[in-house]
Amino acid sequence: GNSVTQMEGPVTLSEEAFLTINCTYTATGYPSLFWYVQYPGEGLQLLLKATKADDKGSNKGFEATYRKETTSFHLEKGSVQVSDSAVYFCALSGHTNTGNQFYFGTGTSLTVIP
Amino acid sequence: DGGITQSPKYLFRKEGQNVTLSCEQNLNHDAMYWYRQDPGQGLRLIYYSQIVNDFQKGDIAEGYSVSREKKESFPLTVTSAQKNPTAFYLCASSIEGRGTEAFFGQGTRLTVV
Repeated sequence: GNSVTQMEGPVTLSEEAFLTINCTYTATGYPSLFWYVQYPGEGLQLLLKATKADDKGSNKGFEATYRKETTSFHLEKGSVQVSDSAVYFCALSGHTNTGNQFYFGTGTSLTVIP
Repeated sequence: DGGITQSPKYLFRKEGQNVTLSCEQNLNHDAMYWYRQDPGQGLRLIYYSQIVNDFQKGDIAEGYSVSREKKESFPLTVTSAQKNPTAFYLCASSIEGRGTEAFFGQGTRLTVV
């Protein structure tokens, strides 16, 4: 079956520190991979995505590379800001005969302190 | 502006009452989803629908019901059979096809009082 496992939090970093949030997946077929961000009391927003092996998704300084050999999609940012404080979800989608299905990790809470 | 609108943002329900959460999208997406989010947990799928007048149960459908009479609308009813309904509910939609992402509404926080 399909599942996503991501690094447990919470994670606390100082401003300008390097961020890595680990994400590994189990999937049948060829899933697409996503990172979403959630701010307090809001819905999820797409941060970046990758649809095939070796693709790199990037947005707002965040990056993640689809690694089929290690079944991973780790999120990285070189220099975090206070405004990056949020919960980050790794997700995958698989296409079935009943349509797209999305599978989410449990989320990693990030707090960036000045 | 295209998007998904959930209403209300906050909802209070007395025990034993049914309550309906609204989800409307103007993105012309075929697929719509309802998720439940509890503190410190990921998203759990309640119901999903790929086309009008058709929907399937997700992982935690017990105590919930849905309808899909229009492409734009996918309301969720939390019934009195749901034993622990206090949670944050998220509606999402997507277009069909590989690699397409889910778009989310702002969520409804339901509290049983």
